[in-house]
Amino acid sequence: DGGITQSPKYLFRKEGQNVTLSCEQNLNHDAMYWYRQDPGQGLRLIYYSQIVNDFQKGDIAEGYSVSREKKESFPLTVTSAQKNPTAFYLCASSIIGGSYEQYFGPGTRLTVT
Amino acid sequence: DQQVKQNSPSLSVQEGRISILNCDYTNSMFDYFLWYKKYPAEGPTFLISISSIKDKNEDGRFTVFLNKSAKHLSLHIVPSQPGDSAVYFCAGRAGSQGNLIFGKGTKLSVKP
Repeated sequence: DGGITQSPKYLFRKEGQNVTLSCEQNLNHDAMYWYRQDPGQGLRLIYYSQIVNDFQKGDIAEGYSVSREKKESFPLTVTSAQKNPTAFYLCASSIIGGSYEQYFGPGTRLTVT
Repeated sequence: DQQVKQNSPSLSVQEGRISILNCDYTNSMFDYFLWYKKYPAEGPTFLISISSIKDKNEDGRFTVFLNKSAKHLSLHIVPSQPGDSAVYFCAGRAGSQGNLIFGKGTKLSVKP
């Protein structure tokens, strides 16, 4: 089954702790993305990567970090510097070229208290 | 500055009728537009797209219309079904990097 997996579905952390969200895809897509969704808001781009070992900041990268050591994996770390980390986080992937349809994972709901 | 605007936060339609979801954009460099459907606590699923060189694209019950002069696109769902109840996001693609700019979404409720 081809697709994108994100784990865990729900994650709880104490304020001040770093937390890493997992994203894996077996679609052989070159590009991967991390978005954040807040209630009543659209999807805001955090980071993206179009090739292994390279990634770019999106619109709201502050307080986040990523790595892209393998084509299939694009983990996102929410650091203690992120002021409002509680949100629904979505990972996506796409080919490069064509209409650039992005395929999304099921999301991780992070709650920081 | 919102490059993609979905001005209606919600829309309610009777089953069997047409649903029309609207989207306005400001970025003239968008070359593709996409519509996604999202259920609560799930990832968005791709519905339909349209190239900026076309004015209409149809896929089953879903049709997207693009009016470039008005910088406006719309998604028509005919006939609407209760399973269509979800949040619909419009997105524009700006250039070769392929990043999508999303609107804030419109919540569609289809009542039996």
